[in-house]
Amino acid sequence: SQQGEEDPQALSIQEGENATMNCSYKTSINNLQWYRQNSGRGLVHLILIRSNEREKHSGRLRVTLDTSKKSSSLLITASRAADTASYFCATVINTGNQFYFGTGTSLTVIP
Amino acid sequence: DSGVTQTPKHLITATGQRVTLRCSPRSGDLSVYWYQQSLDQGLQFLIQYYNGEERAKGNILERFSAQQFPDLHSELNLSSLELGDSALYFCASSARGGIYNEQFFGPGTRLTVL
Repeated sequence: SQQGEEDPQALSIQEGENATMNCSYKTSINNLQWYRQNSGRGLVHLILIRSNEREKHSGRLRVTLDTSKKSSSLLITASRAADTASYFCATVINTGNQFYFGTGTSLTVIP
Repeated sequence: DSGVTQTPKHLITATGQRVTLRCSPRSGDLSVYWYQQSLDQGLQFLIQYYNGEERAKGNILERFSAQQFPDLHSELNLSSLELGDSALYFCASSARGGIYNEQFFGPGTRLTVL
């Protein structure tokens, strides 16, 4: 089974609203990364948060990490139609060198 | 454009056949990763190479193999293809092989097995 699970599976919001998606994982991680994928295309790296960090910002993105709850959230503020995509969290576990991608959240931003 | 190229873009073949997918990493990147994305399995890590050597192995089937050549391009070989192998195959590269490195993904190869 996959290391990461995103919630919700799908999210539809109006342009200008904030979008929040969550990622839960099962084992201890070294870092967690968020990626974005436009339909049928390659993933694009958004942000990386290390296991000893609690919050990180990048432009309109805010990522939090709670290692005690084994969860992370991605907040996109003031969403735009161009933010419509699928968002994946990827966990990098402490043993091995593997990246585990979650199931993804499909975000639709309605203009 | 991530700088990672993959060929071919689309591939349609029959069960039992063998195919080779090719990936050229970003200029200067030493590490290459292969992923399989399907509707039922999601995005699965297959294998990673770093500077020609296998670095990590994920859910890669025995029918699949990969290698990274001296010029750092990589090939993923899929043999005895089954219907369930139909998926998008992504290659990604990173500057080094470490776990803190951002990965840059190619546009993918869509494989259809009939």
